[in-house]
Amino acid sequence: GENVEQHPSTLSVQEGDSAVIKCTYSDSASNYFPWYKQELGKRPQLIIDIRSNVGEKKDQRIAVTLNKTAKHFSLHITETQPEDSAVYFCADLDTGRRALTFGSGTRLQVQP
Amino acid sequence: EAGVTQFPSHSVIEKGQTVTLRCDPISGHDNLYWYRRVMGKEIKFLLHFVKESKQDESGMPNNRFLAERTGGTYSTLKVQPAELEDSGVYFCASSQDTRTEAFFGQGTRLTVV
Repeated sequence: GENVEQHPSTLSVQEGDSAVIKCTYSDSASNYFPWYKQELGKRPQLIIDIRSNVGEKKDQRIAVTLNKTAKHFSLHITETQPEDSAVYFCADLDTGRRALTFGSGTRLQVQP
Repeated sequence: EAGVTQFPSHSVIEKGQTVTLRCDPISGHDNLYWYRRVMGKEIKFLLHFVKESKQDESGMPNNRFLAERTGGTYSTLKVQPAELEDSGVYFCASSQDTRTEAFFGQGTRLTVV
């Protein structure tokens, strides 16, 4: 079945620095790649997504890049703030199952 | 617009007991998913409903888990009898289309002691 690997599992940065989280996937037919942010005690919420017909997408301080040849995609957060601290999950749409397959999550801590 | 709601938010039960989790998706969303996150691991797929039909239940761990979505509205996930390894956070999500954003509920934290 589809497999999504996510690294690192934990990431600590100083406020103002950048953070990068990387994921690889196995289903070459996958065409939708969302990122979810889960703050402590809250529900996972979509923060950005990318489809396979584009290589990069930006939304203010966050950006996602996709390399379909290498089957990996990354989340970039610039000028990090303490409120960015959360667990981030990458996912892809398993074309066979028609449901999201998630990575194992990255706990990001932004130190003020 | 009301989001995806789950009930209860927490449940602590003894091994061997039965627990039923409920999910109310966003109105009009035909697709409903159940996921589970065991401590520190990935959010793992359990099953997918399209309206009242089970599209895919390949992620269900074993026959102690039973999900229903009668009438294609809310869904229940029953665990009977519960085992220690069933502990985790159970998330429900819904989407209008399988290719669009999936909205998550706040999860039910199940602890089996």
